[in-house]
Amino acid sequence: NAGVTQTPKFRILKIGQSMTLQCTQDMNHNYMYWYRQDPGMGLKLIYYSVGAGITDKGEVPNGYNVSRSTTEDFPLRLELAAPSQTSVYFCASTLGQVRSLSYNEQFFGPGTRLTVL
Amino acid sequence: AQKITQTQPGMFVQEKEAVTLDCTYDTSDPSYGLFWYKQPSSGEMIFLIYQGSYDQQNATEGRYSLNFQKARKSANLVISASQLGDSAMYFCAMRVIASNTGNQFYFGTGTSLTVIP
Repeated sequence: NAGVTQTPKFRILKIGQSMTLQCTQDMNHNYMYWYRQDPGMGLKLIYYSVGAGITDKGEVPNGYNVSRSTTEDFPLRLELAAPSQTSVYFCASTLGQVRSLSYNEQFFGPGTRLTVL
Repeated sequence: AQKITQTQPGMFVQEKEAVTLDCTYDTSDPSYGLFWYKQPSSGEMIFLIYQGSYDQQNATEGRYSLNFQKARKSANLVISASQLGDSAMYFCAMRVIASNTGNQFYFGTGTSLTVIP
């Protein structure tokens, strides 16, 4: 059980370039999330998904796109990278939405450190 | 609106002493879960402890306990017998368990804890 995996671990982009951050989970979780964490700050939700084919915007979706074609994968696409997108990106997943820890615990990937120059 | 507030940007504690990290939350939904995460300098998010809104007893996990005061909407983390390895950022988070909330997690801005030898 690998949990939540993210690739790449590090990436440097030039302004205007595009890239896809990969996220995969092998726990058969329904819910998946993308967050960004700016230096010294908390996590801000970019997009989330409640199941394959269903995605929705979070607090800071501008400049990003997502898709969820399978339960396992939830890639985050950056179009036209800007310096303001320099951040650490975390993918996370949760089993479901029931009043118990086993359904609500959020498992995080190791993060992707992205720099846009 | 759902909100998590952590009012202590930084805290210091002497090794082997106990420390309390404050967290208040705001929600009008009756069903929710409260989480604490630790983020060491290496960057990963480590789950520490969970409290459900209907749980009668305060959660405990080893040296971590959650002081849950529902009427005051507070969910403070208590770390007993602090160790040098406890130095990290600590995030409080909430998940409202209701069909119309988007199933999102809401994070506070974090508290940086430094354990002094």
